Amino acid sequence: GAGVSQTPSNKVTEKGKYVELRCDPISGHTALYWYRQSLGQGPEFLIYFQGTGAADDSGLPNDRFFAVRPEGSVSTLKIQRTERGDSAVYLCASTMGAGAGANVLTFGAGSRLTVL
Amino acid sequence: RKEVEQDPGPFNVPEGATVAFNCTYSNSASQSFFWYRQDCRKEPKLLMSVYSSGNEDGRFTAQLNRASQYISLLIRDSKLSDSATYLCVVNPRYNFNKFYFGSGTKLNVKP
Repeated sequence: GAGVSQTPSNKVTEKGKYVELRCDPISGHTALYWYRQSLGQGPEFLIYFQGTGAADDSGLPNDRFFAVRPEGSVSTLKIQRTERGDSAVYLCASTMGAGAGANVLTFGAGSRLTVL
Repeated sequence: RKEVEQDPGPFNVPEGATVAFNCTYSNSASQSFFWYRQDCRKEPKLLMSVYSSGNEDGRFTAQLNRASQYISLLIRDSKLSDSATYLCVVNPRYNFNKFYFGSGTKLNVKP
């Protein structure tokens, strides 16, 4: 697509529920990132994919968080047993992965998650 | 210690003013540097990359000081539309695909 698309734009859920957030990166971008941003903070790295594989998942806070990118394009961030502290904006970004555009992040509009 | 530190502000300036922000980074192995702009409840967008020799884009000038490990952003002739949060981003040499964001500096340009 023309830009990075994220769905849903807003998600309200109850504590303990399961949530999936989807990201559709720019067509042809091989690298995909998930970040989390809390109010008044900068984006915090969660996980990075190069193609289908998670090249770096060191930012995932615990084992309730998991992400996949089975075909090297769309990615899904999955959060199990949500907690109130998971409330944040989840941002997805993609880059070309190599070459001149490799270090230019293009972000989606984000998915705002509220856990009640 | 955070990888990237910024003064959160807010910086409240009148239209037409010149304003400057600094950002310090902790890892001397940092390779690439950027300023991103984030409007309220929107996603960050690349404002400009920061080159070793310094670079300018219209009213915006970015500079890098490797010895003191900081980068700066200067905005001349501020416009109301410059009101936003400015995020400093560093990219380490040891991991080309890692990007560390500062918490951002909020700028309010007043009429």
